[in-house]
Order: sequence, then structure tokens, then C-alpha cells
Amino acid sequence: GESVGLHLPTLSVQEGDNSIINCAYSNSASDYFIWYKQESGKGPQFIIDIRSNMDKRQGQRVTVLLNKTVKHLSLQIAATQPGDSAVYFCAERSNDYKLSFGAGTTVTVRA
Amino acid sequence: NAGVTQTPKFQVLKTGQSMTLQCAQDMNHNSMYWYRQDPGMGLRLIYYSASEGTTDKGEVPNGYNVSRLNKREFSLRLESAAPSQTSVYFCASSEQGYTGELFFGEGSRLTVL
Repeated sequence: GESVGLHLPTLSVQEGDNSIINCAYSNSASDYFIWYKQESGKGPQFIIDIRSNMDKRQGQRVTVLLNKTVKHLSLQIAATQPGDSAVYFCAERSNDYKLSFGAGTTVTVRA
Repeated sequence: NAGVTQTPKFQVLKTGQSMTLQCAQDMNHNSMYWYRQDPGMGLRLIYYSASEGTTDKGEVPNGYNVSRLNKREFSLRLESAAPSQTSVYFCASSEQGYTGELFFGEGSRLTVL
């Protein structure tokens, strides 16, 4: 079954607000996590990654937080823009070096 | 720099027909992958090739075959298409395994009637 899951399938955000997308994982041995963004009709694009020896990593307007105690991952997008409307996937790499993807959260940005 | 290129982008097949999805990458990556994406299920790995000359089964290999033709190209073949194989297929590549970023193609939408 699914070892990676997103808490909410859809998220509606006002332009300019911050977005938080959550993800739960079940494999405590996973050592690497990635967030992907998929725009309509396109393939997934890498956003940011984090290794299990870290609890926070920042990129341009994005921050990933990892809480290994509760096996939770989140992606924060600052000052959400219309171009951020997409489906967001988290993925975990388990100890057999396979990457498992969650079902995705659809983010819609309201003008 | 095209990245990962997949062909065809759309295909309609009848049950029992065969077809091959083509994938090529120009980033000199060692590892290549085929995923399928179905509504509400995320991406599931069909087959992967860690390096030229090797292929391995993923989560959902039944009904598919693959060929790593050379370092650039990795094809996915459906020998006898079934309606359950209606999906969007993505090819991806990475420098080496899951140690870093996967680069995805734009997808191939396959419908089996």
C-alpha cells in the first residue's frame, strides 16, 4: 500500500499568502525526501529535497520541514503566486533505494 | 538542451494491440525510469535502468517490457495492451540512482479501448 501520503488532496490559497502542504510517511528508515511540482499537462519538476539528518532546508520562496519523530514532511511556499498553482507531490526514498510518491495535493491560487 | 524527450505524446490503442513508448535523454545520465500516473495514485514505478545494460522491475511491471538501447534511450513496450494500462506514462532520468534529482519528460497519454 501507499507509504507516503498527503494530508489534503486540495488546497486553495489567496495570492500573496503563504501555503503549507503536508505529507505523512510511514517508513522510519527513509533517508531522503523530495518535493515535486507538476503543472497541468507537464511532467513533475523538482522543487527541493531534504536528507534525514536535517530538519529544515530553504530554497527560493520554499522551505521544507522534516519531523522524523512524527514522520511528517511539509512544504511551505512564501507569498504564493498564480504560477504556484499545480499538483505537489512528496516522495520518500526507502532503505532499498526506491522512491515512493504520494498521491499529490492540488494547489489553487485565488487572485 | 531538450532534457528528457518522450514520444508519442498521445496514443489510442485497441485491446490486444502492441506499442512502444520511446524515451531519450541528453544529459548523459546513467539511470532512467518509467512511471505511470493514475488519478489519485501518484506515480508508480514500472521499470528502471540503473545504468546502461541493466534493467530492473519496479512496483507494477506486469504487462510491460523495457529496453535500455544505449545510455541515452530507454523504451517501454506494451505487448498486448489492456484497458487497465490506460494511463499517463512518464520517463525520467537521473545522474545516478535516487541520490539526487529526477528529471521527467512531459508524459505520454495512452488510452486502451
